[in-house]
Amino acid sequence: GQQLNQNPQSMFIQEGEDVSMNCTSSSIFNTWLWYKQDPGEGPVLLIALYKAGELTSNGRLTAQFGITRKDSFLNISASIPSDVGIYFCARRAGGTSYGKLTFGQGTILTVHP
Amino acid sequence: DTAVSQTPKYLVTQMGNDKSIKCEQNLGHDTMYWYKQDSKKFLKIMFSYNNKELIINETVPNRFSPKSPDKAHLNLHINSLELGDSAVYFCASSQVEGGTTGELFFGEGSRLTVL
Repeated sequence: GQQLNQNPQSMFIQEGEDVSMNCTSSSIFNTWLWYKQDPGEGPVLLIALYKAGELTSNGRLTAQFGITRKDSFLNISASIPSDVGIYFCARRAGGTSYGKLTFGQGTILTVHP
Repeated sequence: DTAVSQTPKYLVTQMGNDKSIKCEQNLGHDTMYWYKQDSKKFLKIMFSYNNKELIINETVPNRFSPKSPDKAHLNLHINSLELGDSAVYFCASSQVEGGTTGELFFGEGSRLTVL
């Protein structure tokens, strides 16, 4: 019930192409988070979503909180080589354990110059 | 200045040994975490400390013992290392248990290889 399913698991694209990935769950969530992990680094928060239907942008990145509250999408426009990395969706536990994050399996993005 | 720093970055050791990983954050955060990333890149929380007090302890073998001497430091000691302990261990911190955004600040990771 708490598992997050990310698709696709990996993507190989040409520089300049747009990228789309998604995350789904059988449970309803109140928050969706998108993190990026650069090679050899720890994950970094890209976008946080708090309301069903919410659409939020961060530069070339756009993320949406699905209207059913069971999914989220992340789009990257006009990809560049530094977009390479692993993109994780995540949810946080409720109650007092907001820092306990459950991560999806990740989408590995490779960008060819 | 590195916000969340871990040492060592790489650790190669034999099965059965005991090893420690240290973590320090200079962000003034109240809460620190240990996450484990396996060979398939799956990230899972192990422990969380809030102001030196253990608040999350997932089903981790008791060979793993976290210690927080103060709220800026969270160390991880592992006894009797096993092959399955090989992974990348990430320390993270946040303001007030994830704050309002759920933003955790991660260190660069410590890659542990058990031979």
